[in-house]
Amino acid sequence: RKEVEQDPGPFNVPEGATVAFNCTYSNSASQSFFWYRQDCRKEPKLLMSVYSSGNEDGRFTAQLNRASQYISLLIRDSKLSDSATYLCVVNEDTDKLIFGTGTRLQVFP
Amino acid sequence: DAGVTQSPTHLIKTRGQHVTLRCSPISGHKSVSWYQQVLGQGPQFIFQYYEKEERGRGNFPDRFSARQFPNYSSELNVNALLLGDSALYLCASNPRLAGTQQFFGPGTRLTVL
Repeated sequence: RKEVEQDPGPFNVPEGATVAFNCTYSNSASQSFFWYRQDCRKEPKLLMSVYSSGNEDGRFTAQLNRASQYISLLIRDSKLSDSATYLCVVNEDTDKLIFGTGTRLQVFP
Repeated sequence: DAGVTQSPTHLIKTRGQHVTLRCSPISGHKSVSWYQQVLGQGPQFIFQYYEKEERGRGNFPDRFSARQFPNYSSELNVNALLLGDSALYLCASNPRLAGTQQFFGPGTRLTVL
């Protein structure tokens, strides 16, 4: 079983749509959780950290369920510029980040 | 402020050769981590260095090695290159050992022919 699992997509959605990505992780001792965004042929960039209480940043909402070892990202009112790969990331200790394979999102006009 | 810088940006090598990739972290950052990203996959952790000491190693063969210099810059070395080593190699810096956001450099794209 992979340490971090994501649906690779692609998710093709029209502008203005709401889209949700899910992710599961295998190590219950994982400490920190993130969503990174990666544009084609670029480096990953932190989109947001994920907290147990859930957190929101504009059109983006992230949720963490530690009991189910499940992380989600919701994007509301999708923009063309949201087209990218979204990487679910888990941190177990020190600075080792464990990445999922990424979910590709394509927003069309 | 300059972000994480990596050199070279692109590199083409043949099987069996050796390669050295370089990374300069953000000023003041003491932790450098290396990741390998094969096409279609997420980045995979290779090494972490903090204060010039290796603090973590991923599941990579001994052909992969790294070091960190007194100015906190780092080198990743790969010997006896294989076709499967073709990937984007990412360097990430962090001001501390753990617990905060990592900042990624633009990567070095290595192609092994």
